[in-house]
Amino acid sequence: QVQLVQSGAEIKKSGSSVTVSCKTSGGTRSNVINWVRQAPGQGLEWMGGIIPMFGTANYGQKVQGRVTITADESATTVYMTLSSLKPEDTAVYYCAGDWDLTYWGQGTLVAVSS
Amino acid sequence: EIVLTQSPATLSLSPGERATLSCRASQSLSDSLAWYQQKPGQPPRLLIHGTSNRPTGVPARFSGSGSGADFTLTISSLEPEDFALYFCQHHSNWPRRYTFGQGTKLEI
Repeated sequence: QVQLVQSGAEIKKSGSSVTVSCKTSGGTRSNVINWVRQAPGQGLEWMGGIIPMFGTANYGQKVQGRVTITADESATTVYMTLSSLKPEDTAVYYCAGDWDLTYWGQGTLVAVSS
Repeated sequence: EIVLTQSPATLSLSPGERATLSCRASQSLSDSLAWYQQKPGQPPRLLIHGTSNRPTGVPARFSGSGSGADFTLTISSLEPEDFALYFCQHHSNWPRRYTFGQGTKLEI
């Protein structure tokens, strides 16, 4: 049973950075872990993904240059760091596992104030 | 960049009725279209992948169809728990990138 458990809510100031973690269990080391965010009352936006075992990541165009996705050496925890935060980055951030986004973390609220 | 447009934005139906949700792409797609259901305060749940494939545990009343640029999610007979938000999603194969539709709210 694949499980994804994310770190807790964050409150940040504009211009700072935030790192959200996603601890995986149940056999996702060779599968991709993606990050998807959802602003309040809005739709879903894919931010990027990584294959933890290989450490290679790719990113969505809207956040490219501000987002970095990494995995720890054991390939069981994936991190998403978003820098130069803006109020419009306020959203719930989800990690999602598997190529079809089959498995989802519980979500992490990141609130950015000006 | 492919744009996915879902219609209608809101669909008002009653339990027992049939729901038909549409997702139209800005260009012809391969079969890489998926559908997700999202309830308030919860993450999305995968309902359909590869246009018409249901993961284990998804009820048979959910079905996906379509080809080219027009895709449909059908719920054959609505149950009370089906009233939620639905998103379609396409991914490019390499590099892997994902695009979502803006969503359809299915309400009673």
